[in-house]
Amino acid sequence: GQQVMQIPQYQHVQEGEDFTTYCNSSTTLSNIQWYKQRPGGHPVFLIQLVKSGEVKKQKRLTFQFGEAKKNSSLHITATQTTDVGTYFCAGPTGYSTLTFGKGTMLLVSP
Amino acid sequence: SAVISQKPSRDICQRGTSLTIQCQVDSQVTMMFWYRQQPGQSLTLIATANQGSEATYESGFVIDKFPISRPNLTFSTLTVSNMSPEDSSIYLCSGNTGTEYGYTFGSGTRLTVV
Repeated sequence: GQQVMQIPQYQHVQEGEDFTTYCNSSTTLSNIQWYKQRPGGHPVFLIQLVKSGEVKKQKRLTFQFGEAKKNSSLHITATQTTDVGTYFCAGPTGYSTLTFGKGTMLLVSP
Repeated sequence: SAVISQKPSRDICQRGTSLTIQCQVDSQVTMMFWYRQQPGQSLTLIATANQGSEATYESGFVIDKFPISRPNLTFSTLTVSNMSPEDSSIYLCSGNTGTEYGYTFGSGTRLTVV
């Protein structure tokens, strides 16, 4: 079945440093979604990418979808302590179901 | 996007008992799903809750253990039956109202079985 792999599993940065997490699928995706889960919280939808090579920005967050639609990345510029949490990518499988990557836990030290 | 109210938020249960988790959505959602998440781990899909019909279960999950109901487009329940300590986990319901909004999650139920 489809697998969605995400690296790194964990990253600890100093506030102000940049952060990137990468997502790779074993199959071509029709779209890819990104979620953020704060410690003790539930996943919150960030964005969906649909087009090959698509790049979307949300303030300091930049999301990319690969040309082959099998990989994606999330880059945070100048991290802040409010960025702490686990970032998940998710790709569709079957009819409307999602397969989540294992997530990248981001810790930001002030 | 939709808002999902999930309850209970946490519970400690005796082994062999059952717990029913409820999710109420503030608007109609096309699809509703139930996930399980171990602390620090990813989300594992248990089943898709289908309105008015039997849920669609993922591999490794069965109806006798995790009966699901969805009587209408805004409400669903998941029961964890005959619980054992291995069922201790966070259970999350989810729904989607449109692809541009992604999936909305309930706040989760942290279940501990003793």
